[in-house]
Amino acid sequence: AIQMTQSPSSLSASVGDRVTITCRASQDIRNDLGWYQQKPGKAPKLLIYVASSLQSGVPSRFSGSGSGTDFTLTISSLQPEDFATYYCLQDYSYPLTFGGGTKVEIK
Amino acid sequence: QVQLQESGPGLVKPSETLSLTCTVSGGSISTYYWSWIRQPPGKGLEWIGYIYYSGNTNYNPSLKSRVTISIDTSKSQFSLKVSSVTAADTAVYYCARRYASKPNYYFDYWGQGTLVTVSP
Repeated sequence: AIQMTQSPSSLSASVGDRVTITCRASQDIRNDLGWYQQKPGKAPKLLIYVASSLQSGVPSRFSGSGSGTDFTLTISSLQPEDFATYYCLQDYSYPLTFGGGTKVEIK
Repeated sequence: QVQLQESGPGLVKPSETLSLTCTVSGGSISTYYWSWIRQPPGKGLEWIGYIYYSGNTNYNPSLKSRVTISIDTSKSQFSLKVSSVTAADTAVYYCARRYASKPNYYFDYWGQGTLVTVSP
């Protein structure tokens, strides 16, 4: 199975900060990667698919980049509603595998 | 608007079989892949497997010997069975729709999740 390594596992940031989360795949997954946001007690929500495509309705402050093994999720200006846990998911091969998550907390 | 709703017992005894159903409303169950994903309390997400509307399945090898996913298109439902459960199977179980049309793949609709606890 492809291993997905996210970093950092947690971070503290202030409203307005630029936040970057990385995800590294154990092998080349082209651009078959998605990013999901999960708030406590809620199901994950799709933010980005195929590494850089913004899901409809998701604010443009979210962006994704990367291909091959290294990927990045960027929040350009952190908003109060963005405090959550973020997961990457590789869609390249089965079994589908998630990263361990990055918890974004208020500083 | 597509909606998914999990249902089933919240408490299962060790060694027994966990059974959950996901009901799909607001859209067709056809032409999509339907998955189960779980999340142990305080931990990350694990993909369990999928079923295509035609009945084709694919399971995570970590659970493959214990998992069965089935579908009833007439009822717009798909189901999960996990046999011989242990405390390690305690988790919130989510059902989700997987959009899969090259080159785009993603989970676009999720159920709210249901907590299943394995305990005597």
